[in-house]
Amino acid sequence: NAGVTQTPKFQVLKTGQSMTLQCAQDMNHNSMYWYRQDPGMGLRLIYYSASEGTTDKGEVPNGYNVSRLNKREFSLRLESAAPSQTSVYFCASSEFRGVQPQHFGDGTRLSIL
Amino acid sequence: DQQVKQNSPSLSVQEGRISILNCDYTNSMFDYFLWYKKYPAEGPTFLISISSIKDKNEDGRFTVFLNKSAKHLSLHIVPSQPGDSAVYFCAASASGGSYIPTFGRGTSLIVHP
Repeated sequence: NAGVTQTPKFQVLKTGQSMTLQCAQDMNHNSMYWYRQDPGMGLRLIYYSASEGTTDKGEVPNGYNVSRLNKREFSLRLESAAPSQTSVYFCASSEFRGVQPQHFGDGTRLSIL
Repeated sequence: DQQVKQNSPSLSVQEGRISILNCDYTNSMFDYFLWYKKYPAEGPTFLISISSIKDKNEDGRFTVFLNKSAKHLSLHIVPSQPGDSAVYFCAASASGGSYIPTFGRGTSLIVHP
């Protein structure tokens, strides 16, 4: 089982460029999440999707948009990248809405020059 | 303001000894706590959790203790092994709230052979 797959693994962008980070899970999970991790910081929630067809803002949503394409896929889009968005981005999923462990992908390392 | 605090950025332990990782929280609504382990270039993986109705949960070499009155939890690893060297994240969530976990900044554990 692949679990949670994120693409790409690495990306370098110039300021102002746009990009979509892809995430797919094969565990038939209902809920999916996007986090960012910066040096010395914990994981901060950007957006989440409690179930197919719904999305909600997390702690740091500014500058991002998301799409829950179907039950498997949840994408994160940077419309106009800024250096402050340089980070490692993690996608996660959980079986359903509620307090429970999340399964994480291996991350996308994004640098914005 | 951090709601979940891991005040020790790093911890160094000898192989075979006990590792104790600490975590404090401020939000009294938190009632479910999780520990995740993260190796470099990988996503976090769920390690162990505890509900606020318990004060201890054990899984093999890993035990989590919860002191609700002190708003403090700790992860004990006995005996520590070199393969335990990783960053450990504490996370807390509220079943009656948004349910999505809030993460601490992590503690880097190094187990020396």
